[in-house]
Amino acid sequence: KAGVTQTPRYLIKTRGQQVTLSCSPISGHRSVSWYQQTPGQGLQFLFEYFSETQRNKGNFPGRFSGRQFSNSRSEMNVSTLELGDSALYLCASSRTLYLAGDYYNEQFFGPGTRLTVL
Amino acid sequence: DAKTTQPPSMDCAEGRAANLPCNHSTISGNEYVYWYRQIHSQGPQYIIHGLKNNETNEMASLIITEDRKSSTLILPHATLRDTAVYYCIVRGGETSGSRLTFGEGTQLTVNP
Repeated sequence: KAGVTQTPRYLIKTRGQQVTLSCSPISGHRSVSWYQQTPGQGLQFLFEYFSETQRNKGNFPGRFSGRQFSNSRSEMNVSTLELGDSALYLCASSRTLYLAGDYYNEQFFGPGTRLTVL
Repeated sequence: DAKTTQPPSMDCAEGRAANLPCNHSTISGNEYVYWYRQIHSQGPQYIIHGLKNNETNEMASLIITEDRKSSTLILPHATLRDTAVYYCIVRGGETSGSRLTFGEGTQLTVNP
C-alpha cells in the first residue's frame, strides 16, 4: 500500500511569511502527527490529530497550527516565519492495533518537508 | 513517558552483530519500549517494540532485562545500509495517542 506522502518536499520562504505543509496518511490510518527536526533540538513533537481533532500538543508557540480533514489528510501552518523555523518537518501516520493481548502503535513517517527560512 | 539514555555513537563491522543498549530506569509497568531508526535525512522507521518479553522480527531482536530498566537492540548481521541513528523510545499503551518523545539516539556506523 502507498506510504505517507508529504508535499512539498522542499520549500524556501523568507522571514515573516507563512507556510502550509500537507500530509496524506496511509489509507485506514486516522491519526496524523507532526514533528520538527533541527540539528540543535533534534526531533520534537508538534501535535497529533485524530478524527479531525487535536489529541495531543507539543511545546511550540501558537504560530504553529494544524488541522485534519475528514479524509484524514492533514495540514500544518506556520505563520510569521522566523529563521529558527528552518527544519525538516515530518508527518507520521498511525493506528493502534491490539494483537495477542498487546497494544501496538503502528506508526509510519513520511519523507518530510525541508523548509528553509531566509 | 519515561526518559531514555543511549550512547551517542557506536561502530560495528559489516556482517557482525550490532548491539545497541538503552537505559530506561524510570519506566513504568504499562510502558512499552520502541525502537526506531533514521537514515540520514529520511523519516524515522519503526524497527521493533516490546513490553517485557524478548521480541524478534525480520529486522532485529529486542532484549529487555527482567527489571525492565534497560534493553538492547540487536541487529544480527549488520550491513552498510544499517548505518543510521537509532532511537530507543518508551511510551504508554493505547491511551497515549501516537506521540513519540525522541532523545538524541545512537549514531551507528557500520564499517566495511
